[in-house]
Amino acid sequence: GDSVTQMEGPVTLSEEAFLTINCTYTATGYPSLFWYVQYPGEGLQLLLKATKADDKGSNKGFEATYRKETTSFHLEKGSVQVSDSAVYFCALSLSFSGGYNKLIFGAGTRLAVHP
Amino acid sequence: DAGVIQSPRHEVTEMGQEVTLRCKPISGHNSLFWYRQTMMRGLELLIYFNNNVPIDDSGMPEDRFSAKMPNASFSTLKIQPSEPRDSAVYFCASSRSSYNSPLHFGNGTRLTVT
Repeated sequence: GDSVTQMEGPVTLSEEAFLTINCTYTATGYPSLFWYVQYPGEGLQLLLKATKADDKGSNKGFEATYRKETTSFHLEKGSVQVSDSAVYFCALSLSFSGGYNKLIFGAGTRLAVHP
Repeated sequence: DAGVIQSPRHEVTEMGQEVTLRCKPISGHNSLFWYRQTMMRGLELLIYFNNNVPIDDSGMPEDRFSAKMPNASFSTLKIQPSEPRDSAVYFCASSRSSYNSPLHFGNGTRLTVT
């Protein structure tokens, strides 16, 4: 079935380090792919998205490229900040007949950045 | 844009009591989702409405849970009777009905059942 697999956390980094959070997916159709971020005490917020193969989503220094050949959507940032500490969720969205869509989330990866 | 509004932010209740969680989606969004988040099970989709009609309620844990969407601007999730294992953060989210439209989440309701 359709699913999203993320690397397990927590990921602990020093400020200004390079970040990669791996995400792979399994889908029967042609999904759109998303990264969401959840800060403590808040709901999930959209970080970036890509809707077709080879698209690159980017926002706030984060980026991810939709790789159909490896069914991956890895999140990267060149230099993390303490304020990036949060839980990051990879997700895919598929459309179905009847005009509705289904969003599937990964388990989330907690990132902790230390000064 | 006020975003998705959920109430209450926190709810503490005793086992056996009825609990009602409320959600106001973003105006113009015609899809609404209820999620539950726990440390053990992560983020679980409970039910999904499209144009006020429940499309997928396969995630509703059992008959104690029910959800309604009487109009495009309001939804409720009810637990009756509540149990300690229902303690979690419940999120409401809304979106436009397009598979590449992102979800907009509320800040959640933290439910504690003692």
